[in-house]
Amino acid sequence: QVQLQESGPGLVKPSETLSFTCSVSYFSVQDNNYWWGWIRQPPGKGLEWIGSIYHSGSTWYNPSLKSRLTLSLDSPKNQLSLNLKYVTAADTALYFCVRQIAASTWAFDSWGQGALVSVSS
Amino acid sequence: QSVLTQPPSVSAAPGQRVTISCSGSSFNIGNHYVSWYQQVPETAPKLLILKDDKRPSGIPDRFSGSKSGTSATLAITGLQTGDEGTYYCETWDSSLVAAVFGGGTHVTVL
Repeated sequence: QVQLQESGPGLVKPSETLSFTCSVSYFSVQDNNYWWGWIRQPPGKGLEWIGSIYHSGSTWYNPSLKSRLTLSLDSPKNQLSLNLKYVTAADTALYFCVRQIAASTWAFDSWGQGALVSVSS
Repeated sequence: QSVLTQPPSVSAAPGQRVTISCSGSSFNIGNHYVSWYQQVPETAPKLLILKDDKRPSGIPDRFSGSKSGTSATLAITGLQTGDEGTYYCETWDSSLVAAVFGGGTHVTVL
């Protein structure tokens, strides 16, 4: 059974870059049937899709974040990464790493436990 | 403000049936598959329904999804205390060019 585990800084200063890594276990990020992505949840609020990436390097980014966002996959390490530049307090959230079923379903079938990041000086 | 509209809350007694609506448009629900997720407090969301009405393995048939036009519905029958939590609909929006979630519906078992 696939397992996803996020790791991140916990606290980031405004205007700096937020970086997360997600380690994937018991499943290859190179599997052709899945994409990989990130979803976040501000404290007490709903879910927001951040972006998704395929092992070919293809990406889909949320337009509201696109100018600040970079997603990448490290196939040898079986990891995915998120970098979000110029963060503000609005980026404070619980960040989930997710596996997304391909074939146009846009369904996220496996989730990490989430990692909280606070943006504060 | 999400492009997918869900009621903030629904409630029912144990054993009863509840339905959660998700209203959208032709840019999203009307032309793309809908998924549903359950989030109980302090845990990650769990996929309940994909492709409008398909259950992943391990999801009990008490949970069912349907879609008509630009609206989707999640039904939960035989409500249990463990079903308390927040439920989200989700789909692709071709106008926003983004995956979008509804605002969430909190289910209370009375």
